[in-house]
Amino acid sequence: AQRVTQPEKLLSVFKGAPVELKCNYSYSGSPELFWYVQYSRQRLQLLLRHISRESIKGFTADLNKGETSFHLKKPFAQEEDSAMYYCALRYSGGGADGLTFGKGTHLIIQP
Amino acid sequence: ETGVTQSPTHLIKTRGQQVTLRCSSQSGHNTVSWYQQALGQGPQFIFQYYREEENGRGNFPPRFSGLQFPNYSSELNVNALELDDSALYLCASSSRVGANTGELFFGEGSRLTVL
Repeated sequence: AQRVTQPEKLLSVFKGAPVELKCNYSYSGSPELFWYVQYSRQRLQLLLRHISRESIKGFTADLNKGETSFHLKKPFAQEEDSAMYYCALRYSGGGADGLTFGKGTHLIIQP
Repeated sequence: ETGVTQSPTHLIKTRGQQVTLRCSSQSGHNTVSWYQQALGQGPQFIFQYYREEENGRGNFPPRFSGLQFPNYSSELNVNALELDDSALYLCASSSRVGANTGELFFGEGSRLTVL
């Protein structure tokens, strides 16, 4: 069965410091990974997906199949990055597309 | 463009009762998924509906059921409620037309409390 692990429930860093939110996964198939974010009083929304290999709001994430990881990084944190971040693995089975989410990491950027 | 809307936003039920939650998908989306998010946990996939049929299910018992209507809106029904069903229920819509990016558009959720 697929699983996503986010080892940190809470991560607090100072503004301007680098940020790394960890995500590890287990999946027997070819993984497709996403980071979703939930800002205060907003709904859950997609931040980025590994297939696009894009940088969104300064965040990047590289899929490392050898280490089964998809860590989210940003070189210089900003206060508006404070939010709940969820790593998610997409699996396809029986024609459905479901996402398996980790438990989330609450990122707090201190001024 | 109208986003995903869910109703009701909050409700309280007692053990053994039944509940129906509703979701209107985002304009242009034909696929609806439901997720359960318990306190302190990430969302868990319940099932997905496409073309008015269940199109895959997570690890949830049959007392969790759903419907999708011709206008792509959807209902989640839970029978014989248990205390552990207390959670935020999220609806997410997506499109199967063209390249399926896997991006889900979430509603704000319905918070169910079972006493």
